[in-house]
Amino acid sequence: DAGITQSPRHKVTETGTPVTLRCHQTENHRYMYWYRQDPGHGLRLIHYSYGVKDTDKGEVSDGYSVSRSKTEDFLLTLESATSSQTSVYFCAISDLNSYNEQFFGPGTRLTVL
Amino acid sequence: AQSVAQPEDQVNVAEGNPLTVKCTYSVSGNPYLFWYVQYPNRGLQFLLKYITGDNLVKGSYGFEAEFNKSQTSFHLKKPSALVSDSALYFCAVRDSRFSSGSARQLTFGSGTQLTVLP
Repeated sequence: DAGITQSPRHKVTETGTPVTLRCHQTENHRYMYWYRQDPGHGLRLIHYSYGVKDTDKGEVSDGYSVSRSKTEDFLLTLESATSSQTSVYFCAISDLNSYNEQFFGPGTRLTVL
Repeated sequence: AQSVAQPEDQVNVAEGNPLTVKCTYSVSGNPYLFWYVQYPNRGLQFLLKYITGDNLVKGSYGFEAEFNKSQTSFHLKKPSALVSDSALYFCAVRDSRFSSGSARQLTFGSGTQLTVLP
């Protein structure tokens, strides 16, 4: 999985609790992405980052925030988790000089009860 | 806005037979097109991409894809399917006009589950 790790790999939490997912890369790629994968929807972009402290919203950003204080780390936070945020979350990276060919982490399965 | 359609949720094929997984796209400019594969409990793996040039693109594991601009399609193909090809396949597109910002991002299809029967 191309030098990308995600933690935790599995998490079960309760509605209303905060949750932070971490993505760590060793490729020194500029762009980092958070997607969620749900049956019938494919992958949908939540947020992305184009550099340290530079982030922007994706298609389904409501209820999520992100931070990137170092090139290698991109954090996704659910401030108050809801059952609709039960999903599999993937981090991806791409290089500045690519055509946005992205490389994906192994995923985090999040269940909100 | 850009979009991708994978019209088949499920494709079944017998081992040794040719396989096709369909993808059509919509972008305002010229497309960059990608195929990814996802095995159970794994992240997506890059298979191949079309940027420009030859309409037939060859990728990993014997897969190839044919870009057809008039039909706005980018179908994934393999001459002889293997049971180990069984996986979820995603097509993705981005508009080549944009090099930064939200328009640079990939849009993914909903995925096609390929099952190769022994």
